[in-house]
Amino acid sequence: AQSVTQLDSQVPVFEEAPVELRCNYSSSVSVYLFWYVQYPNQGLQLLLKYLSGSTLVKGINGFEAEFNKSQTSFHLRKPSVHISDTAEYFCAVARFKAAGNKLTFGGGTRVLVKP
Amino acid sequence: DGGITQSPKYLFRKEGQNVTLSCEQNLNHDAMYWYRQDPGQGLRLIYYSQIVNDFQKGDIAEGYSVSREKKESFPLTVTSAQKNPTAFYLCASSIDRENTEAFFGQGTRLTVV
Repeated sequence: AQSVTQLDSQVPVFEEAPVELRCNYSSSVSVYLFWYVQYPNQGLQLLLKYLSGSTLVKGINGFEAEFNKSQTSFHLRKPSVHISDTAEYFCAVARFKAAGNKLTFGGGTRVLVKP
Repeated sequence: DGGITQSPKYLFRKEGQNVTLSCEQNLNHDAMYWYRQDPGQGLRLIYYSQIVNDFQKGDIAEGYSVSREKKESFPLTVTSAQKNPTAFYLCASSIDRENTEAFFGQGTRLTVV
């Protein structure tokens, strides 16, 4: 079984400042890794994903994440945030190349961008 | 436009009643999923279906039921057996059985009154 821990439940940040959201996972097998964003009362939108290959992954809206296998982490970063980045962010994992695969989510990190 | 449509967006239910949440997709995806979202708990899997006429229980299936009679539809019924049904429910579908990318609907907020 897999588990995901998002270390910060809330992250306040000023506009144009950088932000890092931390995600650690636990799994006995190789995994796929994902970051999703959720705006209030809406569904989830995929920001980026790591399936294989380069450990630095670039996504939409200027976000990027780095897969660190030794530390079992997949932290999300953005060098300069905007007010519109205020949302909740979810890290998720799925088993690598497994048919009938399921996503396991972390508890979410709420980002509040202040002017 | 291709996507996943959940309806209704808001739903109110009296205690003791069953209620069905709709989820329709026109992405031609085989796999579909139902999640429940509660504040601070992330998303928890209720049921999932990899193919028509087949579905499996997720982590919190008690008090819920589903059907998958058509590829594009995966309705969720919240039964009276579900002790705490007030939550935000999200439906998703995946481009493949490895779940390398999931697409989500806009959600249904269910409130028991």
